[in-house]
Amino acid sequence: RKEVEQDPGPFNVPEGATVAFNCTYSNSASQSFFWYRQDCRKEPKLLMSVYSSGNEDGRFTAQLNRASQYISLLIRDSKLSDSATYLCVVPGGGSYIPTFGRGTSLIVHP
Amino acid sequence: NAGVTQTPKFQVLKTGQSMTLQCAQDMNHNSMYWYRQDPGMGLRLIYYSASEGTTDKGEVPNGYNVSRLNKREFSLRLESAAPSQTSVYFCASSGGSTETQYFGPGTRLLVL
Repeated sequence: RKEVEQDPGPFNVPEGATVAFNCTYSNSASQSFFWYRQDCRKEPKLLMSVYSSGNEDGRFTAQLNRASQYISLLIRDSKLSDSATYLCVVPGGGSYIPTFGRGTSLIVHP
Repeated sequence: NAGVTQTPKFQVLKTGQSMTLQCAQDMNHNSMYWYRQDPGMGLRLIYYSASEGTTDKGEVPNGYNVSRLNKREFSLRLESAAPSQTSVYFCASSGGSTETQYFGPGTRLLVL
């Protein structure tokens, strides 16, 4: 079974800060991974996909390091609204069973 | 499009009672999933349906049954609820095993 590990945090940062999370995984040949965002008492929602070439969307950058088996999420110029839990996901591939990390909590304060 | 819908939003059961959680998606997705989420445990897969007509166990299937009624609908049944099944239940769907999952708003279940 694939294992996915995340630092639960919380990461407590001021507005405008840059913050980065890592997620380590094992035993995956997947070509793509995902970062989801989950607000308190809400469902997870896709934040961005992560490919071998990386992915950037505005203030968010995701990278994949296949050799070291981790994916990262960088958030620049943090906003109060970025406060949430960030989940990394390794797709199931042929098994259809994706593996979710337990999430990293981010708190952005004024 | 409504995406993924779930009913009910909240439910309180007594130990031993049964209930069915309903899930429907309007995105024409092949695959559907049921998860539970407990504090500190993350999302755990209960059952999934790779395509219409098939269902398979996930990590924590004991105490649950599922039915893939048609391509749109995937229900989760608790035959005899136990306090250990107190949790938040999420349904999700995706186009396939490597594709993005879309989640419903969740059902909060309390078993007394």
